[in-house]
Amino acid sequence: QVQLVESGGGVVQPGGSLRLSCAASGFTFNLYAMHWVRQAPGKGLEWVAVTLFDGSNNYYEDSVKGRFTISRDNSKSTLYLQMDSLRAEDTAVYYCATDMMQGVIKGALDYWGQGTLVTVSS
Amino acid sequence: QSALTQPPSVSGSPGQSVTISCTGTSSDVGNYNRVSWYQQPPGTAPKLIIYEVSARPSGVPARFSGSKSGNTASLTISGLQAEDETDYFCSSYTTSSTLVFGGGTKLTVL
Repeated sequence: QVQLVESGGGVVQPGGSLRLSCAASGFTFNLYAMHWVRQAPGKGLEWVAVTLFDGSNNYYEDSVKGRFTISRDNSKSTLYLQMDSLRAEDTAVYYCATDMMQGVIKGALDYWGQGTLVTVSS
Repeated sequence: QSALTQPPSVSGSPGQSVTISCTGTSSDVGNYNRVSWYQQPPGTAPKLIIYEVSARPSGVPARFSGSKSGNTASLTISGLQAEDETDYFCSSYTTSSTLVFGGGTKLTVL
């Protein structure tokens, strides 16, 4: 069965950095685009970034552009999110999720991890 | 990227139908049939219940249906059940190759 397990969350000071990981299993990781989605406490979902199946193209939400970098290692079936210059408003549970369609970004996220909490606070 | 607009809350009695709207622009909802809906019980990850405007993943009851007209997509839940009481989010692919979510709607079953 498909499993996505995020790790790397924690407490970081404003201006600091964190790298999130998402270990995938149970499907052919290198065929699917992968997304990061976040949810601030008590708030709605916010899409963060996507990387194509082969990592050739990445797209970002405007507020994280230039600060966050999405990447993947298909040999390890692992997705990453490098987060730099963190701000208080980046505090959220971060989920990784698979795109439903092979090879393209369909935008339908059919499998989600359990999420990892990132808290940006001094 | 502005969030899609959803009503903060809707309600209905058991057995009734409710519809949740999701309004975007010609750069997202109006431009693609890549609108999805998610159900998210408290403390859990979202679950995909509708994709490509009206398709249902395997295992999602037929009580859940989706549609779109212009820049507005809709989720209709028929035959409301107590277990349907939770949060619902819409999303759409955009012309910038990004995704955008709605603000979420809390469904209350009276």
